[in-house]
Amino acid sequence: NAGVTQTPKFQVLKTGQSMTLQCAQDMNHEYMSWYRQDPGMGLRLIHYSVGAGITDQGEVPNGYNVSRSTTEDFPLRLLSAAPSQTSVYFCASAGGGNTGELFFGEGSRLTVL
Amino acid sequence: AQRVTQPEKLLSVFKGAPVELKCNYSYSGSPELFWYVQYSRQRLQLLLRHISRESIKGFTADLNKGETSFHLKKPFAQEEDSAMYYCALTTYNNNDMRFGAGTRLTVKP
Repeated sequence: NAGVTQTPKFQVLKTGQSMTLQCAQDMNHEYMSWYRQDPGMGLRLIHYSVGAGITDQGEVPNGYNVSRSTTEDFPLRLLSAAPSQTSVYFCASAGGGNTGELFFGEGSRLTVL
Repeated sequence: AQRVTQPEKLLSVFKGAPVELKCNYSYSGSPELFWYVQYSRQRLQLLLRHISRESIKGFTADLNKGETSFHLKKPFAQEEDSAMYYCALTTYNNNDMRFGAGTRLTVKP
């Protein structure tokens, strides 16, 4: 049981390049989400999904796309990277019920030059 | 929209001293509040939630709806408590968990 797995752990991009951050969970959780963590701002919700085929925007969705074709996977796409997207990205999942406990991945550090 | 405020970015105490990490929130409905912790080189993880009214690793947190606060307290801090602490708020349907900016706690020997 690996929990929430994110890849890659580190990535450097040039402005305008595209990339996908991968997130997979093996806990059969319906809820998955992406956060970005910036100094002094804590974690901010980018997008979330409550099940396969269902996604919605969070607090800071601009510049990011997501899809949820399976319960296990929730990739985050940057179509045209900007320096403002330099951050640490966390994927999280939660099981059914109103427990509120999020299980986090290890994070992906992205630098956009 | 809901908002979580942690007024202290950094907090430093000596081992054995009491510690209180402040959290204030704004939300018009009935919130569900949590404390998450990130130890060095570990994943962010749940520390405690207000609905459980439990004590984890000696920490407690009481929801004060009048003051809209959910401060985290421990009577005697230990060096292993040094970590980044995040207060978080969600609503009944649990789809949008909002986090505060975090407080870095350092417990000195």
